[in-house]
Amino acid sequence: NAGVTQTPKFRVLKTGQSMTLLCAQDMNHEYMYWYRQDPGMGLRLIHYSVGEGTTAKGEVPDGYNVSRLKKQNFLLGLESAAPSQTSVYFCASSYSIGQGASRQPQHFGDGTRLSIL
Amino acid sequence: RKEVEQDPGPFNVPEGATVAFNCTYSNSASQSFFWYRQDCRKEPKLLMSVYSSGNEDGRFTAQLNRASQYISLLIRDSKLSDSATYLCVVNPKPLSGYALNFGKGTSLLVTP
Repeated sequence: NAGVTQTPKFRVLKTGQSMTLLCAQDMNHEYMYWYRQDPGMGLRLIHYSVGEGTTAKGEVPDGYNVSRLKKQNFLLGLESAAPSQTSVYFCASSYSIGQGASRQPQHFGDGTRLSIL
Repeated sequence: RKEVEQDPGPFNVPEGATVAFNCTYSNSASQSFFWYRQDCRKEPKLLMSVYSSGNEDGRFTAQLNRASQYISLLIRDSKLSDSATYLCVVNPKPLSGYALNFGKGTSLLVTP
């Protein structure tokens, strides 16, 4: 059981280039999330999705776009990469089970390390 | 004010010691609480949920004080393998798809 899989694991981009990070989960989770983690900043939510075909902005959405065309996949796009987007990106997913959903933990992928030169 | 605040540490303790971490949160409507563990350059992993009555999992004990908006984690008989960053995590309320607010983490180093 793979859980949450992120691809690629490492990437170096030049300023202005575009790319897409892929997150795939095989746990049939409804909710998926993209976070970034920077030194001294902790994890910050970029975008999230509560189901197939739906997305919403998180705390730091500027410069990113997302899509959830299939339940198991959540894509994070950088249209024009900037050095400020150098970070470690984590995808996560969790169950939605009615009122108990708030107590469901999030399962994380092992991250994508992205450097923008 | 940051939603979730933790002492960053580092906490350096000898093997076998007992160590406690504290965390405060600002949103009184917060629904649920967790401690995650993150090893260097790895993904966060759930250590334990925190329940209102307090809960224990082996050497780990978590406490919640809703009145003071305060969460704690106690680790007894520390092991070298406990060295990691411990993240206090709060679910503010079920509007943002249960997205979580993460503290910046408390670093623990257990030494021989």
